[in-house]
Amino acid sequence: DADVTQTPRNRITKTGKRIMLECSQTKGHDRMYWYRQDPGLGLQLIYYSFDVKDINKGEISDGYSVSRQAQAKFSLSLESAIPNQTALYFCATSDTLGGTDTQYFGPGTRLTVL
Amino acid sequence: GQQLNQSPQSMFIQEGEDVSMNCTSSSIFNTWLWYKQDPGEGPVLLIALYKAGELTSNGRLTAQFGITRKDSFLNISASIPSDVGIYFCAGLFNKFYFGSGTKLNVKP
Repeated sequence: DADVTQTPRNRITKTGKRIMLECSQTKGHDRMYWYRQDPGLGLQLIYYSFDVKDINKGEISDGYSVSRQAQAKFSLSLESAIPNQTALYFCATSDTLGGTDTQYFGPGTRLTVL
Repeated sequence: GQQLNQSPQSMFIQEGEDVSMNCTSSSIFNTWLWYKQDPGEGPVLLIALYKAGELTSNGRLTAQFGITRKDSFLNISASIPSDVGIYFCAGLFNKFYFGSGTKLNVKP
């Protein structure tokens, strides 16, 4: 079983709709992240959470919100989707056990906003 | 802010050839990570480097953490068709920074 899972894997929606992308992990990591990837571009950080009570904005948080429901669950919401939010979205986890920090990614959600 | 410059952007090579790609930055990092991403899939961690000068191998892949802490390279030896994909680096200093990727094409 995958350590980091994302649902849905693909979603097509219309402008103005509210969308939630979900992420679950079984790695036991404290830190979780949401990234966006556009074709030909690197990963851009949307939000991150270092534990259940800690939520931080990333580089491109406008138009997005998150919820850390439990250590293992971190969801991303688009309150009112717009076409330029069409992208691949990745959830990632990491921890700092042993003084190192390594990120592990989920399989991604391909979101299309019409 | 910190930026990672990854090169080359793309490579077309013959099966069996060796491949080298690198990431550089004007700032130092505490960790360098190398990932491979297949189309429509999530990045998969290949190699993690935690100390300056560290040289680590994973099968045909070898990566090094530069002495200056501002760069890292990834080598793939004796490439095969399944090496096709996008490889990208990530550096950690308080937060993760990502390169824009090297697209590798391998001709059988």
